[in-house]
Amino acid sequence: GAVVSQHPSWVICKSGTSVKIECRSLDFQATTMFWYRQFPKQSLMLMATSNEGSKATYEQGVEKDKFLINHASLTLSTLTVTSAHPEDSSFYICSARVGDKNTEAFFGQGTRLTVV
Amino acid sequence: GQNIDQPTEMTATEGAIVQINCTYQTSGFNGLFWYQQHAGEAPTFLSYNVLDGLEEKGRFSSFLSRSKGYSYLLLKELQMKDSASYLCAALDSNYQLIWGAGTKLIIKP
Repeated sequence: GAVVSQHPSWVICKSGTSVKIECRSLDFQATTMFWYRQFPKQSLMLMATSNEGSKATYEQGVEKDKFLINHASLTLSTLTVTSAHPEDSSFYICSARVGDKNTEAFFGQGTRLTVV
Repeated sequence: GQNIDQPTEMTATEGAIVQINCTYQTSGFNGLFWYQQHAGEAPTFLSYNVLDGLEEKGRFSSFLSRSKGYSYLLLKELQMKDSASYLCAALDSNYQLIWGAGTKLIIKP
């Protein structure tokens, strides 16, 4: 299947700093990528949908100025958590679809963010 | 509103069969996915159903009834490595995935 690579796998940062998470589609072009966060024992929560060359579409309640998403190319989307706080600590996962809208989504490995 | 319901946790014995149910209510429907997620890892794709009926893939099978808004994932010959969370997700009319909270499956020897 298609491969989505997410980096870093885990990161610890100080409160107030910014963290950038990269999501790359290695063997296909992803016109649309999705960013999720997942708290322990909870389901995936869609944060935003990222389309190449245009602004991301954020879900209700997600601060677009805090979670900056850039999708500059067909193979790379980035999520930057700005001015991180301990409550931003979570598991962040990106995914991308291949082909039609009803095809499976492939996920990156996820990034465990801990803000201290 | 849109909603996915699945049991929080299930326990089964190694070598046995287990069925994980999922009911959904969405604005439109373009198919249902099942994903497996081990703790601390990203989900991996198991199956996709858009037509009524049973899809078999090795030890795993998935069933869909669109009229009932119901699906199940059937796991046969359970192995210890099958201990994981199983996520049900429905694709709505906007092709957006609506995720269930996941069913944690515990396999006992």
